[in-house]
Amino acid sequence: AQSVTQLDSHVSVSEGTPVLLRCNYSSSYSPSLFWYVQHPNKGLQLLLKYTSAATLVKGINGFEAEFKKSETSFHLTKPSAHMSDAAEYFCVVSPFTNAGKSTFGDGTTLTVKP
Amino acid sequence: DAMVIQNPRYQVTQFGKPVTLSCSQTLNHNVMYWYQQKSSQAPKLLFHYYDKDFNNEADTPDNFQSRRPNTSFCFLDIRSPGLGDAAMYLCATSKTGGTGANVLTFGAGSRLTVL
Repeated sequence: AQSVTQLDSHVSVSEGTPVLLRCNYSSSYSPSLFWYVQHPNKGLQLLLKYTSAATLVKGINGFEAEFKKSETSFHLTKPSAHMSDAAEYFCVVSPFTNAGKSTFGDGTTLTVKP
Repeated sequence: DAMVIQNPRYQVTQFGKPVTLSCSQTLNHNVMYWYQQKSSQAPKLLFHYYDKDFNNEADTPDNFQSRRPNTSFCFLDIRSPGLGDAAMYLCATSKTGGTGANVLTFGAGSRLTVL
């Protein structure tokens, strides 16, 4: 069994300030973890993934996430927000060998103020 | 660039009038998925094909059908759309071996409006 909880449904930051989007997971096995971004009326784009290698994962557009097994967390961060980062973000957990069993979080809407 | 392409991007249909959405991929991935995403919600898996094997989710209505005539193409058929079927439909692919296995790659989506 697995589940994902995105702790904030909405996050608002000012341009140039840090971004933190929080994700906690539960899993009965060693999971793969992903962050996807979705801009309005677009599909989901992979930001980064954790698949049991390095616990600090770097992704596209300056995002990174750290897998913390003891805290069952996979929070997404970015040092400096850009206006183009405004979007919906989904944390996803899946079994290492079966993407068809992926579980999506409810999403976090990121707003970036000028 | 290798990618997942969905057509049409926007589809308007009338209540009860059948609709077909298409998905093609140049990634040569062996698994293809159809997700339904309603406004402000996470994507919900409808079904997927593992190679030619069809896997239906238990709560997917019978109104939704799918076809995969070959590795590259997959279709979503909605036999009698209701107002509740208005949503974004996302196609995704993945592969089961090698580098990048089991990572979902999404198309841009097809937004369905039911009048």
